[in-house]
Amino acid sequence: GAGVSQSPRYKVTKRGQDVALRCDPISGHVSLYWYRQALGQGPEFLTYFNYEAQQDKSGLPNDRFSAERPEGSISTLTIQRTEQRDSAMYRCASSREDQGHSEQYFGPGTRLTVT
Amino acid sequence: AQSVTQLDSHVSVSEGTPVLLRCNYSSSYSPSLFWYVQHPNKGLQLLLKYTSAATLVKGINGFEAEFKKSETSFHLTKPSAHMSDAAEYFCVVSGRGSQGNLIFGKGTKLSVKP
Repeated sequence: GAGVSQSPRYKVTKRGQDVALRCDPISGHVSLYWYRQALGQGPEFLTYFNYEAQQDKSGLPNDRFSAERPEGSISTLTIQRTEQRDSAMYRCASSREDQGHSEQYFGPGTRLTVT
Repeated sequence: AQSVTQLDSHVSVSEGTPVLLRCNYSSSYSPSLFWYVQHPNKGLQLLLKYTSAATLVKGINGFEAEFKKSETSFHLTKPSAHMSDAAEYFCVVSGRGSQGNLIFGKGTKLSVKP
């Protein structure tokens, strides 16, 4: 079956522009997670959803970052007024349930470069 | 708060020799612990997970890890390295309580010499 997909795979944008990153989770998975991975670091949690409800957004760095999952499936992470420090790999993952032991399946990531 | 510390940023072994990647964790709850692997230009893949059952956990590709509560460690081992094992490995602990958000270590890059 299809895994987690993300689009675009690569995004280059100019500072000050808004970007929208899309995640399509595995069908039927309850939970969807967003992480950001800087070069040479492990992924850092941003936010997650159970169905359409955003459960935790404590990892979002500031109010330029927002996410939604309106129908409990596809999710969009939006960064407004991008800055160079936003350049990173943005990873999405989904899991069957919202439990600490549940395996998360990761997508290939979106490499964002802000020039 | 939960956290993980990977003790080596880079490990280099020869093909056919044992692999040891070290990880210590900190958790105020009974943790779920994972090892993920990331091959170049590929996504993250789960190697194995510990969820309070057997303390010795076997994963894919011959890897295993032992949960040692007294040492707060969860080291990853493999008896004999293969060239295809060259990748970055992340030790991971689950977030607070039963929530599923993951907390990653900084990663250990494994190099395998022929």
